[in-house]
Amino acid sequence: KQEVTQIPAALSVPEGENLVLNCSFTDSAIYNLQWFRQDPGKGLTSLLLIQSSQREQTSGRLNASLDKSSGRSTLYIAASQPGDSATYLCAASNNNDMRFGAGTRLTVKP
Amino acid sequence: NAGVMQNPRHLVRRRGQEARLRCSPMKGHSHVYWYRQLPEEGLKFMVYLQKENIIDESGMPKERFSAEFPKEGPSILRIQQVVRGDSAAYFCASSPIGGTNSYEQYFGPGTRLTVT
Repeated sequence: KQEVTQIPAALSVPEGENLVLNCSFTDSAIYNLQWFRQDPGKGLTSLLLIQSSQREQTSGRLNASLDKSSGRSTLYIAASQPGDSATYLCAASNNNDMRFGAGTRLTVKP
Repeated sequence: NAGVMQNPRHLVRRRGQEARLRCSPMKGHSHVYWYRQLPEEGLKFMVYLQKENIIDESGMPKERFSAEFPKEGPSILRIQQVVRGDSAAYFCASSPIGGTNSYEQYFGPGTRLTVT
């Protein structure tokens, strides 16, 4: 059974800093891994989807990497801004089943 | 093209009442997934449905919970005889192709259920 862990649970950084969020999963036989953003009281916004055959995906200041063999994914946020403050969730997909981590709560201080 | 719609956005029920949560997938999507997010916990998969079929309900509690996705109309997540522990945010997602193999799931804004 797939288990997804995110470290750290919470992170606070000053504006402008580059940062890395970590995600690990126990079953490397995934089809894809997805990163989401969740704002307080809101739904999920998909940020990046990495297929199992890919190593990374980039969108603007975000870069996500995937290392299936080690069961790890990272989300890199460059030049963080206060508007990046949110909870970031990663989810690993194994055939009809998407398992989420508990999330990292990011605060970017102006 | 409207996104995934969920209603109501907020639902308050007393213990013992029934809760009905609705999800309209994106246009052209025939696959719907329901997830539950308990306070201070991550999202957990509940059920995956295609039109008129339940494909995977391995995450559904054995009692009081049911889901359907009729040929016409939205998908419904039904919780009978609600208890305080059912208070959570319930998210629906849809995709154009079945499973989570290659396609993103598009999430709705969620329904926040509060049981008093």
